[in-house]
Amino acid sequence: DAGVTQSPTHLIKTRGQQVTLRCSPKSGHDTVSWYQQALGQGPQFIFQYYEEEERQRGNFPDRFSGHQFPNYSSELNVNALLLGDSALYLCASSLDGVWMNTEAFFGQGTRLTVV
Amino acid sequence: DAKTTQPNSMESNEEEPVHLPCNHSTISGTDYIHWYRQLPSQGPEYVIHGLTSNVNNRMASLAIAEDRKSSTLILHRATLRDAAVYYCILRGYTGANSKLTFGKGITLSVRP
Repeated sequence: DAGVTQSPTHLIKTRGQQVTLRCSPKSGHDTVSWYQQALGQGPQFIFQYYEEEERQRGNFPDRFSGHQFPNYSSELNVNALLLGDSALYLCASSLDGVWMNTEAFFGQGTRLTVV
Repeated sequence: DAKTTQPNSMESNEEEPVHLPCNHSTISGTDYIHWYRQLPSQGPEYVIHGLTSNVNNRMASLAIAEDRKSSTLILHRATLRDAAVYYCILRGYTGANSKLTFGKGITLSVRP
């Protein structure tokens, strides 16, 4: 089992550009969550996808959007990039039904640098 | 979101036990106590979780106070590989409450 895989591992973008990050969940997992981790800080929850719908959202602007595909993989899109969007973006997968949840498995992250 | 409070840092000697404390005085009856750790340059890794009773697994033990307002993660024999940031997190039990709210965590250093 490959676990949670994220691509790309590193990315450099210019202010104002758009970026798409990708995540493949651990086999058997149906829920994907995205987190942003600034240097020296704990990860901050962006949003969670379940059954191809956004189920929970953190305190992030609409410039951050996502998608989940029928095979449970997911994308995170960020529009109009700002310097402050430079961070490590982490994807986590889990098996979270309506009345239960399981431990989350994290990928290694995508390091985004905005210049 | 219910909040947890942890010391900023802790030091330990290799092969000695480590007790990492966490306070969560506003915990609700349906909140589980989760611990994750993050090694340098890696994503967070699940360690252990519990509700009311003490829990053991291959990585660690979790001791939960009777009133559930505090807990302690116990590493029985610290190794150099255990040097990481440890996060104590309260998490709901349903899918709709499954997000992880990370604080700053406690940075554990292990001396050889």
